[in-house]
Amino acid sequence: AQSVTQLDSQVPVFEEAPVELRCNYSSSVSVYLFWYVQYPNQGLQLLLKYLSGSTLVKGINGFEAEFNKSQTSFHLRKPSVHISDTAEYFCAVSGISGSARQLTFGSGTQLTVLP
Amino acid sequence: KAGVTQTPRYLIKTRGQQVTLSCSPISGHRSVSWYQQTPGQGLQFLFEYFSETQRNKGNFPGRFSGRQFSNSRSEMNVSTLELGDSALYLCASSFDGGSTSEKLFFGSGTQLSVL
Repeated sequence: AQSVTQLDSQVPVFEEAPVELRCNYSSSVSVYLFWYVQYPNQGLQLLLKYLSGSTLVKGINGFEAEFNKSQTSFHLRKPSVHISDTAEYFCAVSGISGSARQLTFGSGTQLTVLP
Repeated sequence: KAGVTQTPRYLIKTRGQQVTLSCSPISGHRSVSWYQQTPGQGLQFLFEYFSETQRNKGNFPGRFSGRQFSNSRSEMNVSTLELGDSALYLCASSFDGGSTSEKLFFGSGTQLSVL
């Protein structure tokens, strides 16, 4: 079984400032890691994913995340945010083995970018 | 290419009624998953269908059921509605090349309100 903890439910930040959204996971098996973003009244869109290899993963819209196995973390970062980045962000994991396309999501972090 | 289409966008029902939600995946995608999103519980996996067969199921009561048709379109049904079933129901599709690392494409969801 897997679980995901997003440590901050709300993160306000000023425009053009850097931001980090924190995510920790727990799993008894190897996992793939994902960050999804949800804009108001929309479904989720994939920002980036970590499968293997380099621990620094670059995604869309200037976001990147770093996988840290020893700390079981997968924090999302952006060096300079825009108003349009205001949305809810979800960290998720899925088990590597098996055929189940089942994601376990964290509770989400609402990022609000202030002018 | 059209995205994942969910209908209807909004539904209002009363306790005890049943409801059917529809999801049309991206053309060529064969896997369809359903998630329930609520403010209290976050995003929770309901079930996944592939080739008209339920491949995986989350921890929801038997009142929640689904099916998939030969054209990969999927429906989910909730019987004997309870107030706690009020939620945004999200459908996600993927091609299913055989790996759980595959990206999920989400629809905009059906907002169900149970009065």
